[in-house]
Amino acid sequence: DIQMTQSPSSLSASVGDRVTITCRASQSISSYLNWYQQKPGKAPKLLIYAASSLQSGVPSRFSGSGSGTDFTLTISSLQPEDFATYYCQQSYSPLYTFGQGTKLEIK
Amino acid sequence: QVQLVQSGAEVKKPGASVKVSCKASGYTFTSYGISWVRQAPGQGLEWMGWISTYNVNTNYAQKLQGRVTMTTDTSTSTAYMELRSLRSYDTAVYYCARDLGVRGYPLDYWGQGTLVTVSS
Repeated sequence: DIQMTQSPSSLSASVGDRVTITCRASQSISSYLNWYQQKPGKAPKLLIYAASSLQSGVPSRFSGSGSGTDFTLTISSLQPEDFATYYCQQSYSPLYTFGQGTKLEIK
Repeated sequence: QVQLVQSGAEVKKPGASVKVSCKASGYTFTSYGISWVRQAPGQGLEWMGWISTYNVNTNYAQKLQGRVTMTTDTSTSTAYMELRSLRSYDTAVYYCARDLGVRGYPLDYWGQGTLVTVSS
């Protein structure tokens, strides 16, 4: 299976900060990388697909980049509603795998 | 609008089976597959498998092979996930998600989740 590793596992930041989360794949996955946001007690929500495409309705402060094995999710100016856990997921292999998650907390 | 509505919470004893349903609406059911993802308490997301609603082809995570079966009922636009020989570590919230099943396609709509508790 393709292993997905996110860093950091947790992150403290303030409203208005620029934040970057990294996801690394154990082998090349081209641009087949998706990002999800999950709030406590809720289902995950798709933010970014194909590494850099913004899902409809998602604010433009979210952006994604990368290809091959290294990817990033950037939030340009944190808003109060952005404090949540973020997961990357590869859809290159038909056996999907997720990163372990990055919990974004208020400083 | 696209909706996936899952069945309610379940409590099962070790060794039992559970079957969770996921009823789809707002799109053509047979045009998209369904993936199942679970999340143990306080843990991350674990993909369990995928089923085509068109030809019932399946892909299961290796660690669940032999214990999980995914099925669909196109007459009611409902997908099902059955997990057998339950153990305490199967306690989790189980989600269904719409999945085209084409390389690169994301899990774009999710059900609300079904809590399955395994306890003696």
